[in-house]
Amino acid sequence: QKEVEQDPGPLSVPEGAIVSLNCTYSNSAFQYFMWYRQYSRKGPELLMYTYSSGNKEDGRFTAQVDKSSKYISLFIRDSQPSDSATYLCAMSEGTNAGKSTFGDGTTLTVKP
Amino acid sequence: DAGVTQSPTHLIKTRGQQVTLRCSPKSGHDTVSWYQQALGQGPQFIFQYYEEEERQRGNFPDRFSGHQFPNYSSELNVNALLLGDSALYLCASSRDFGGNTIYFGEGSWLTVV
Repeated sequence: QKEVEQDPGPLSVPEGAIVSLNCTYSNSAFQYFMWYRQYSRKGPELLMYTYSSGNKEDGRFTAQVDKSSKYISLFIRDSQPSDSATYLCAMSEGTNAGKSTFGDGTTLTVKP
Repeated sequence: DAGVTQSPTHLIKTRGQQVTLRCSPKSGHDTVSWYQQALGQGPQFIFQYYEEEERQRGNFPDRFSGHQFPNYSSELNVNALLLGDSALYLCASSRDFGGNTIYFGEGSWLTVV
């Protein structure tokens, strides 16, 4: 079993919809949680990161962490066609983001 | 400000051959990590270099080796290539070892035939 499991998708939503992307993990040592966006197999781009349980908001994006349930989510409000990409969750045991464990990604398509 | 640059962009190799991939970190960054991303999967951590030494290693065989140069650039070497080594190889850099923000390059696509 993988340390990080991500809802596989793919997801297809209409423009303006709220999107929920989810990951679960098994390693209790994970302390640092990240979400990346990857377009057409380009390099991943960091969207958000958080250390603690709770919510963190940045514009249309909200990252949510529940350490007790080993569950993290990314919510996208008012989704746009430009949000169409693969979203990867990642986590690390310390703050060393260079050694992260990634989920396999969820591909999102936002239709105009 | 140049980001992380990788070369070559694409390459095709034959089983059993050896390959070297190169990475220049973002300006001001001194730590480099390498990842392998197979089709339909997330990136998998190979190893991380800081101060010209391998500091962390993932679950990859010894056929995968690396090097970091005094200018912080890095190479990934893979010997005795297998078909299963076909993947996108990603380099990421950070300002410090243990830094909480990394920047990825566009990757090198390796196809083994």
